[in-house]
Amino acid sequence: DAKTTQPPSMDCAEGRAANLPCNHSTISGNEYVYWYRQIHSQGPQYIIHGLKNNETNEMASLIITEDRKSSTLILPHATLRDTAVYYCIGIDKLIFGTGTRLQVFP
Amino acid sequence: DAGVIQSPRHEVTEMGQEVTLRCKPISGHDYLFWYRQTMMRGLELLIYFNNNVPIDDSGMPEDRFSAKMPNASFSTLKIQPSEPRDSAVYFCASSRTGLKSSYNSPLHFGNGTRLTVT
Repeated sequence: DAKTTQPPSMDCAEGRAANLPCNHSTISGNEYVYWYRQIHSQGPQYIIHGLKNNETNEMASLIITEDRKSSTLILPHATLRDTAVYYCIGIDKLIFGTGTRLQVFP
Repeated sequence: DAGVIQSPRHEVTEMGQEVTLRCKPISGHDYLFWYRQTMMRGLELLIYFNNNVPIDDSGMPEDRFSAKMPNASFSTLKIQPSEPRDSAVYFCASSRTGLKSSYNSPLHFGNGTRLTVT
């Protein structure tokens, strides 16, 4: 199973970029990396996913290393509403780890 | 699109009682997943269905738990009898595609059912 490793918590000032890392060294060659976030008391929300290339959408950017062993989710201008737990998962078994709790402060 | 709809939003019951959680997936989604979330264990995949057929129930904790999907628009997760350790938030999610190498369809989660067993 593809396991992911994320720091348990991070802080970010409002308006600054939040860079959330994820290690997924056991991910298989054709396995997508997905990012979700969970705001307190809600269900996880899809953010972005990628395979090999960097990806960008209206919510975030995803940078995947060339060896695909790690990735970084970038929230370019964090707001207070981005405070949440962020999960990076490999799609093999849809296993959610403990994620990174991002706290955006004023 | 109303999203994934779960009911009830909260459920409080006494130990030994039967509990039934309900889920309506997004129309057109062929896969349905049941997750459980606790502080200790995080988000755990319990079971998932493809075209109403259970594919993998290895995450179901024990025989007290059962899940059904009688049609494409409805699924239930039943606990009988319930125990205090079943207290958790139960999420249902659906997606257009499932666990394949070409998978590129995200999961859409409901807002969960918070179950408290006293």
